[in-house]
Amino acid sequence: DTAVSQTPKYLVTQMGNDKSIKCEQNLGHDTMYWYKQDSKKFLKIMFSYNNKELIINETVPNRFSPKSPDKAHLNLHINSLELGDSAVYFCASSQDPSRQETQYFGPGTRLLVL
Amino acid sequence: KQEVTQIPAALSVPEGENLVLNCSFTDSAIYNLQWFRQDPGKGLTSLLLIQSSQREQTSGRLNASLDKSSGRSTLYIAASQPGDSATYLCAVSPDSWGKFQFGAGTQVVVTP
Repeated sequence: DTAVSQTPKYLVTQMGNDKSIKCEQNLGHDTMYWYKQDSKKFLKIMFSYNNKELIINETVPNRFSPKSPDKAHLNLHINSLELGDSAVYFCASSQDPSRQETQYFGPGTRLLVL
Repeated sequence: KQEVTQIPAALSVPEGENLVLNCSFTDSAIYNLQWFRQDPGKGLTSLLLIQSSQREQTSGRLNASLDKSSGRSTLYIAASQPGDSATYLCAVSPDSWGKFQFGAGTQVVVTP
């Protein structure tokens, strides 16, 4: 059973397109995250939702919009894709970060913008 | 602004040797620090989480220490095995919401 799953695993698209990445966790966690890992392997947090409410919103272009339809899902929609958006996007979840609990990561979505 | 640095960037050791991975951070006002492992083409796996009030955490062959005042953490892996080959990432969070800031990682290769 996959704890945190992401679809698609690979995404190749043209500049200017709009695309979505889906994330689902079956751990019953309350908090979910999106991270971006660039070509230099730096991992940076983008967004976090707790019980469907946005709690972390880092400085990312407003072309990126997270959506949480329920506690188990956090999707990432990207408008007008640019070359610099090429990266690996990781979804993660945790039960209650205030209780110092770890984050569980998905396998990543490799996005390539041509 | 918090900066997290990991040294060395890459490390190669023969099987059986102990591994020492270093992490430093510029702002000592952290809520916790976490060590992760990342295998090529895969997501991250949490290894150890140290709360700001703790000095170390241990799990099997892994031991992580935290010196908050000097802004340092060290991950020790005893008796390394080829299966320990991976990239090890250190991350610190300033608050309870898990807003982790990551280092660039140390790429470890353990040769048989």
